[in-house]
Parts: sequence; structure tokens; C-alpha cells
Amino acid sequence: AQSVTQLGSHVSVSEGALVLLRCNYSSSVPPYLFWYVQYPNQGLQLLLKYTTGATLVKGINGFEAEFKKSETSFHLTKPSAHMSDAAEYFCAVTFSGGYNKLIFGAGTRLAVHP
Amino acid sequence: DAGVTQSPTHLIKTRGQQVTLRCSPISGHKSVSWYQQVLGQGPQFIFQYYEKEERGRGNFPDRFSARQFPNYSSELNVNALLLGDSALYLCASSRSGDRNNSPLHFGNGTRLTVT
Repeated sequence: AQSVTQLGSHVSVSEGALVLLRCNYSSSVPPYLFWYVQYPNQGLQLLLKYTTGATLVKGINGFEAEFKKSETSFHLTKPSAHMSDAAEYFCAVTFSGGYNKLIFGAGTRLAVHP
Repeated sequence: DAGVTQSPTHLIKTRGQQVTLRCSPISGHKSVSWYQQVLGQGPQFIFQYYEKEERGRGNFPDRFSARQFPNYSSELNVNALLLGDSALYLCASSRSGDRNNSPLHFGNGTRLTVT
């Protein structure tokens, strides 16, 4: 069965430090991969997506992610954390099929300290 | 353009009652999907509708039902509410029903509390 695993339910970094949020998936077919961010009491906002082509994907707010097929990973990074990055981050995948169903990971809560 | 709008924003119901949640997609989007997000977990797929027809259904009991109207808005109905139905219900829209026209655009959700 297809699944998504986010390593680390909570990540804490200092302002200005590197942000690394980990995501691994299981699939026997090429996936489409996404990262969403959720601020308190809000819905999900798309940060970036990978469908086909270049494996390094740049998103909004300075985030980027790299699709590594050999490692079945799609880790999210940002070189320098800002206080405003504190939120919940979700990795998600869709697989081939007749409809657009997202499978989400359990989420990683990012805390940014001064 | 307005984003995905959901109503109401918050709702409190008693066990055994029925609830209807509403969603208006982004203009031009013909597909609506519903997700349930229990506190501390990632969203779980409930339904997808495209052109008023159900395209996919997640692993939820028959107490959950939905429909899509000619204007592409959608309702999610939950009957015989259980305490475990307490969650944030998210609606998402997309231009078409297949993944090639993703991504999904999410609304801010309806927070349902069952007491």
C-alpha cells in the first residue's frame, strides 16, 4: 500500500539556521509529491510540488525539496529559518489513478527560536 | 479571485445528530474533494467529486456522504455523529479530477466538535 512517512513529529531550530524536514514514501509507481504548510486555525497552503522533470524543486518562502528516487525521499529544506516559518508541515503524494487523491504524512511541527 | 470557501467555520453537535458542511470551490474548478483532519494527524481523504459524480471514496463508513451541485459547490453530510467524528473537515478544489491538474487548493476548514 502507498504511504508517506515524515520523520520527526517536532523539529526545533534557531532563527537563521538550516531547516530540514524529512519525508519518505513507498510506491511501486512514479509519484507526484507535495509539501503543504498549515498555520494555526487555517487550511493547507501549497509550498511546492514535484511531478516530472527536474528533481530539485523550488517553492514559495525560500523552501526547496529534492526528489531522490533511489532513496524514495522528498526532504524539504530552507537555508535560513525565519520566525514566521513556525507552522505544521505536511508531505503528501498522489499516485497514478483515475482521480486525484492525496495521501498525507502525519506532519512535522516546526518551532523557530530567537 | 476568491479561494475555496467553507461554512460554517465552527460547529458543535451532540452524538447521534446529523451535520451538513458546505464548500464553494475556486471559480473555474470543477472538482471538489473532502478531507478529515483529526487533531495531531495528517488529513485523510474522504471523497472526490468531479462534474457532479463521485470519483473516489476513502475508507469512511456509510454515515459519510456528499454531493456536488451544478455550480460545482459541494456538501458533506455526516449522520449519527460519534465523538470520533470531531475533527477539522477540509474541502479542496482543483480544475479537473485527475492528478495531472493538481495541486489541490484547500479552504480553511470547518471545525466540528461532537459532544
